[in-house]
Amino acid sequence: SQTIHQWPATLVQPVGSPLSLECTVEGTSNPNLYWYRQAAGRGLQLLFYSVGIGQISSEVPQNLSASRPQDRQFILSSKKLLLSDSGFYLCAWRVNRAGELFFGEGSRLTVL
Amino acid sequence: DQQVKQNSPSLSVQEGRISILNCDYTNSMFDYFLWYKKYPAEGPTFLISISSIKDKNEDGRFTVFLNKSAKHLSLHIVPSQPGDSAVYFCAANWGGSEKLVFGKGMKLTVNP
Repeated sequence: SQTIHQWPATLVQPVGSPLSLECTVEGTSNPNLYWYRQAAGRGLQLLFYSVGIGQISSEVPQNLSASRPQDRQFILSSKKLLLSDSGFYLCAWRVNRAGELFFGEGSRLTVL
Repeated sequence: DQQVKQNSPSLSVQEGRISILNCDYTNSMFDYFLWYKKYPAEGPTFLISISSIKDKNEDGRFTVFLNKSAKHLSLHIVPSQPGDSAVYFCAANWGGSEKLVFGKGMKLTVNP
């Protein structure tokens, strides 16, 4: 069966520090992968998506970046975090043509 | 430009009664609509979907209705249970798009 894992689950970082969130998918090959963010009191905002290794589409200009070094690995990074980067980050893979997404457990980032 | 709108941020109902969650959209190209349920500190889970060629889809206590002329869909939960208390997201997609567009979510509280 397919599974998706995100880590770390919780992260507290100072402003200006770097960030790396990792996501891996098991049980499927060549998945479409997504990074979403849920900020406090807001909906789900699509940050990046990838249709294959090395292919990244950015939805929102910001100080975050994403990479897909392997078929089932998706990484969200930042060189210098801002206070506004705080939120709940969700990785997901696309299940079917209808667009259904299967989400990971999420990573809670607090920037102080 | 918000293409998927959930105009009511919250809803409170009594256990056993019907919960009706509404969603409006602006993009007439959307051909799949999905509902997700999210508990705090967890990733969203898929609940139910509907294709634009249908006007109703039912799965147990959950029914989604689609009114294409009004660009409106609703999720009915009957009977509501305390475990249904969560944030519900409406989402939409169109064929050929890699992206699922989410509404801002609505918090449902079912009181015992």
